Amino acid sequence: DAMVIQNPRYQVTQFGKPVTLSCSQTLNHNVMYWYQQKSSQAPKLLFHYYDKDFNNEADTPDNFQSRRPNTSFCFLDIRSPGLGDAAMYLCATSRDRTGVGYTFGSGTRLTVV
Amino acid sequence: GQQLNQSPQSMFIQEGEDVSMNCTSSSIFNTWLWYKQDPGEGPVLLIALYKAGELTSNGRLTAQFGITRKDSFLNISASIPSDVGIYFCAGQLQNAGNMLTFGGGTRLMVKP
Repeated sequence: DAMVIQNPRYQVTQFGKPVTLSCSQTLNHNVMYWYQQKSSQAPKLLFHYYDKDFNNEADTPDNFQSRRPNTSFCFLDIRSPGLGDAAMYLCATSRDRTGVGYTFGSGTRLTVV
Repeated sequence: GQQLNQSPQSMFIQEGEDVSMNCTSSSIFNTWLWYKQDPGEGPVLLIALYKAGELTSNGRLTAQFGITRKDSFLNISASIPSDVGIYFCAGQLQNAGNMLTFGGGTRLMVKP
């Protein structure tokens, strides 16, 4: 089945140690998004790629970076995780700028110790 | 950012009861999406609405895109225990491309 796959499902990292979360999609969607979701809150958009065009939200901290080496993969890099970065990180895709087919992955829960 | 007002924030109902939740905004939306999120999982799309006035059903779920394009509701009929979870509305603003604005979520609890 076509889907959005996030690995790992659970990630534990040390305070200040760089960590990378990954997302892959078999939907051949042009747009990929990264969201941060804290407990019982709505997802908050960090940034998105439209094809290779990177779009950062104004309030996304510099500590968060992203890479999209090809259509299928997108990575979220947290350069120096702090305790406040512990959250669920959600990857999503959509076919194009109209948002048709907006699909979320199952998420990666990040714990910072 | 733009806010979507989702209500109620939480509901505790008896199995078999019908449920209604809604989202409102002062801005116009092109698309309304309703998602359900189980603990530890990503949101799963329930219903997508693309036209003002559109009424769409998915099993026991029914959602409508408000005529004014500023609101939407989701109804669940004959609730069952597996309906438990957090329901989010999300919309695409008229002039914000493909960005989604999320409501604050409705936490549904069903008593068997």
